[in-house]
Amino acid sequence: DIKMTQSPSSMYASLGERVTITCKASQDIKSYLSWYQQKPWKSPKTLIYYATSLADGVPSRFSGSGSGQDYSLTISSLESDDTATYYCLQHGESPYTFGGGTKLEIK
Amino acid sequence: DVQLQESGPDLVKPSQSLSLTCTVTGYSITSGYSWHWIRQFPGNKLEWMGYIHYSGSTNYNPSLKSRISITRDTSKNQFFLQLNSVTTEDTATYYCASYDYDPFAYWGQGTLVTVSA
Repeated sequence: DIKMTQSPSSMYASLGERVTITCKASQDIKSYLSWYQQKPWKSPKTLIYYATSLADGVPSRFSGSGSGQDYSLTISSLESDDTATYYCLQHGESPYTFGGGTKLEIK
Repeated sequence: DVQLQESGPDLVKPSQSLSLTCTVTGYSITSGYSWHWIRQFPGNKLEWMGYIHYSGSTNYNPSLKSRISITRDTSKNQFFLQLNSVTTEDTATYYCASYDYDPFAYWGQGTLVTVSA
């Protein structure tokens, strides 16, 4: 199985701050990488798919980058509504595997 | 819009089978996409379990392969999860989700299943 190492596992950031979350795959996943936002008691919501494509309705302050084994999610200017847990997912090879999650809270 | 809704028992005894239904509205499960089950354990780890393709083919996580079955009823636009010989380790929130060009764009609301005697 492809292991997805996500970091940090938790973080605090200030409103307006630029935030970056990273995922490293144990092998090349050829950009088959998605990012999800999950709020308490809610289902995950797609933010980014195929590493860089912004999902419908997602604010432009979210962006994705990366290739090969290394990927990142960036929030350009943190807003209060961004408090959530974020997950990466590789879907290039079965079994699909998720990162361990990053809990993002506002300072 | 595609909508998915899980249903099934919220309590299952150890060694028994867990059976869940995902009812899909807004799209025919035979028209396209693949239809997945994903679970989230207490502590929030996510695990992909498997899918049934619109063609009817299936693919399962090898970690579950001997215990899992995903089937469908096309007349009701539903697909199903059966997980056999459950233990307390199978306690989780179970989600159904669809996969197209935007992987897992649509999710159900999730259903918590507790395995306990």
